[in-house]
Amino acid sequence: QSALTQPRSVSGSLGQSVTMSCAGTSSDVGAYNFVSWYQQHPGRGPKLIIYDVSKRPSGVPDRFSGSKSGSTASLTISGLQAEDEADYFCCSYAGRYTVIFGGGTKMSVL
Amino acid sequence: EVQLVESGGGLVRPGGSLRLSCAASGFTFSGHSMSWVRQAPGKGLEWVATITPSSAYLYYADSLQGRFTISRDNARNSLFLQMNSLSDEDTAVYYCARFTIRGETEFDYWGQGTLVTVSS
Repeated sequence: QSALTQPRSVSGSLGQSVTMSCAGTSSDVGAYNFVSWYQQHPGRGPKLIIYDVSKRPSGVPDRFSGSKSGSTASLTISGLQAEDEADYFCCSYAGRYTVIFGGGTKMSVL
Repeated sequence: EVQLVESGGGLVRPGGSLRLSCAASGFTFSGHSMSWVRQAPGKGLEWVATITPSSAYLYYADSLQGRFTISRDNARNSLFLQMNSLSDEDTAVYYCARFTIRGETEFDYWGQGTLVTVSS
């Protein structure tokens, strides 16, 4: 099973919005509404920021939003802040109690 | 406060074995499925294995070819990963991760990771 496909990098200026994609297949992203996104700062463990495609855990700013169309999910960060500079990973349930991750996107704040 | 603390990583020679541990605290460990997820240097995350709350079901990534075994001890709030026949492709930071109470769809807490280096 191949990893979900994410762009290697995206960037945006402070206050702007950026959107990053996560392309899967009809066996994972396209089959289930169980897409999650994780933020990872250098040397730290990942942090859940989106689950069920578009839901935010308590404490995650509403600047983070998620969506899905077909087999591609997207994460949008609005009003970019310096602390948003991090790696972002998407993840999808893939059936039979397995999950699959994307290769990650490095988000840079200009 | 939920805490997951991994240990047991280190340098091991190709073909060797290693056992990782994850000490959980701050929540009812026996109520959650748990997983190991790894991250090779400069690479993305890779799901390794999942164990359900009572250890009734174990699931593994196909790529492991039966070399790894996940287990848990609910009395000691601990998760384990026994890794055998290690190769340089297994070099990675290994994270212990907790599934939400809903089931095996997303991870709500992660540890800081333990580094496993396979090298001669």
